[in-house]
Amino acid sequence: QVQLVESGGGVVQPGRSLRLSCAASGFTFRLYGMHWVRQAPGKGLEWVAVISFDGSYEYYGDSVEGRFTISRDNSKDTLYLQMNSLRVEDTAVYYCVKDEWLALDSWGQGTPVTVSS
Amino acid sequence: IVMTQTPPSSPVTLGQAASISCRSSQSLVHTDGNTYLSWLQQRPGQPPRLLIYKISNRFSGVPDRFSGSGAGTDFTLKISRVEAEDVGVYYCMQATHFPVTFGGGTKVEIK
Repeated sequence: QVQLVESGGGVVQPGRSLRLSCAASGFTFRLYGMHWVRQAPGKGLEWVAVISFDGSYEYYGDSVEGRFTISRDNSKDTLYLQMNSLRVEDTAVYYCVKDEWLALDSWGQGTPVTVSS
Repeated sequence: IVMTQTPPSSPVTLGQAASISCRSSQSLVHTDGNTYLSWLQQRPGQPPRLLIYKISNRFSGVPDRFSGSGAGTDFTLKISRVEAEDVGVYYCMQATHFPVTFGGGTKVEIK
């Protein structure tokens, strides 16, 4: 079955960087687009970014455009999110999500990121 | 695209029906003819789970008491007979127009 395991979250000061990883298994990773979605404490879902199956296309949410970079290594079945210039408002649980025909069909358990001084 | 869900909270009696509405600020019909409107369920303490995709298609393993309908800008999720395991927050989501956007969520709870 599909498994998505995020890692790399933690506590970081404002202005610093963090890189999240998502290890995928149970499906042919290189055939599917992938997303990052986040959820601030007690809040709803906010879409962060998407990358196409082959990495040729990326798109970002307005709040992270220019600061975050999504990437993937299909040889390692791994998705990444490089987060730079972090802000307090980036505090959230970050989910790695598989795309099937523009539906977010499989979600990881999430990795928490706290931005605080 | 702004996705507006109503009601924000829905107290229901076990075995009774529940209905959640989602309205988009623009038509969600894609140039390819599909409408990429999904519904997700988030149980307490769990990641979200896909229930319905492309308006009315139930995802694998989703009970048939869940159904989706609608077109254009107006969509509905119905739970025909609410069970205790249905407690949680439900989100609509559109992926027709990037950036992907979610509704604010509807909390379903038992009376």
